[in-house]
Amino acid sequence: DGGITQSPKYLFRKEGQNVTLSCEQNLNHDAMYWYRQDPGQGLRLIYYSQIVNDFQKGDIAEGYSVSREKKESFPLTVTSAQKNPTAFYLCASSKTRQLTYEQYFGPGTRLTVT
Amino acid sequence: DAKTTQPNSMESNEEEPVHLPCNHSTISGTDYIHWYRQLPSQGPEYVIHGLTSNVNNRMASLAIAEDRKSSTLILHRATLRDAAVYYCILRRGGSEKLVFGKGTKLTVNP
Repeated sequence: DGGITQSPKYLFRKEGQNVTLSCEQNLNHDAMYWYRQDPGQGLRLIYYSQIVNDFQKGDIAEGYSVSREKKESFPLTVTSAQKNPTAFYLCASSKTRQLTYEQYFGPGTRLTVT
Repeated sequence: DAKTTQPNSMESNEEEPVHLPCNHSTISGTDYIHWYRQLPSQGPEYVIHGLTSNVNNRMASLAIAEDRKSSTLILHRATLRDAAVYYCILRRGGSEKLVFGKGTKLTVNP
């Protein structure tokens, strides 16, 4: 089945460690996105990528890094510089950056840092 | 980014229609109106979008006011599986962003 996979579903880390969240899509979509969601809040954009080897910062990029070496994959690294990393992280993709194309979301990774 | 305003919560009974309102008084001519919904502990799911005319799909209908300052998402017969947070989002021309507010939490009573 076509879709977006994120792994793992739950992730626990100690403070001061970097952690990488996986996002893979087999929809042949050009654009991919990372969002963060805190309890009771909407989603906020961290990074997005429209094509391979290119990505742009979203609204809250500080403390995060990404790479886009393959069309299907857009991993997110939460670095130790991110002050409040505990959150629900969602990856999404869309066919192109055009306004009318909907974004498809993965099931999310819930990261807890203690 | 243009702002949307939605009620924090709404309730409906199963098999009854639901009208979820959204105000977007600062909408610009190139803003598309998108609706997404998010079930508990899942990623959001696209519902519908429109520009000026009313739109229908298998999930819902979108009614857009003539002045485009408001819109209404219509679920024709609510089911328990429609219980979710519904987000009304304006997507501006040239912007990659879907700016999510807090949305409306819909509760469907059996």
